[in-house]
Amino acid sequence: GQQVMQIPQYQHVQEGEDFTTYCNSSTTLSNIQWYKQRPGGHPVFLIQLVKSGEVKKQKRLTFQFGEAKKNSSLHITATQTTDVGTYFCAGIRSGTASKLTFGTGTRLQVTL
Amino acid sequence: DAGVIQSPRHEVTEMGQEVTLRCKPISGHDYLFWYRQTMMRGLELLIYFNNNVPIDDSGMPEDRFSAKMPNASFSTLKIQPSEPRDSAVYFCASSWTVYNSPLHFGNGTRLTVT
Repeated sequence: GQQVMQIPQYQHVQEGEDFTTYCNSSTTLSNIQWYKQRPGGHPVFLIQLVKSGEVKKQKRLTFQFGEAKKNSSLHITATQTTDVGTYFCAGIRSGTASKLTFGTGTRLQVTL
Repeated sequence: DAGVIQSPRHEVTEMGQEVTLRCKPISGHDYLFWYRQTMMRGLELLIYFNNNVPIDDSGMPEDRFSAKMPNASFSTLKIQPSEPRDSAVYFCASSWTVYNSPLHFGNGTRLTVT
């Protein structure tokens, strides 16, 4: 079955440092979505990428979809304590009517 | 837009008891999903509905789990009998489509089975 892995599992940074999480799928994806879950909260949709090589920005967050549509990344510039949480990617296998598969998540801790 | 509403927020029960989790999706969303989240297994899709009809229940762990959607504004996930390994956070989510629209999650139900 489709597997979506994220690395790292956990990262601890100091405020102001950059952070990147990588998402890798075992199959080609038709699209990829990113979610953020604050501690004790629920996943909240951040963005969707559809095109090969697509890059989207949201303020300090930059999202990229790989050329082969099998991987994606989320980069946060100059992290803030409000960025704390777990970041999940989620994708749908290309060419199928399958459901969204969530990645394993990367937990980000930011300290002053 | 009130968002996806789940109840209860917390449930503590003893092994062997029946547990019913409830969900009200966002009005107009055709798809409803039930997820389970644990540290060990992450976010797992249990079942999803399209227009109140179950489409894929391959993620339901076993016969002790059942889900219904009697109408467009209400769904239940039932566990009978419950076991300690069912302890997890259960999320309900809804969306316009299954392929390329965002999932809107409820606040979840934290279930503890002792």
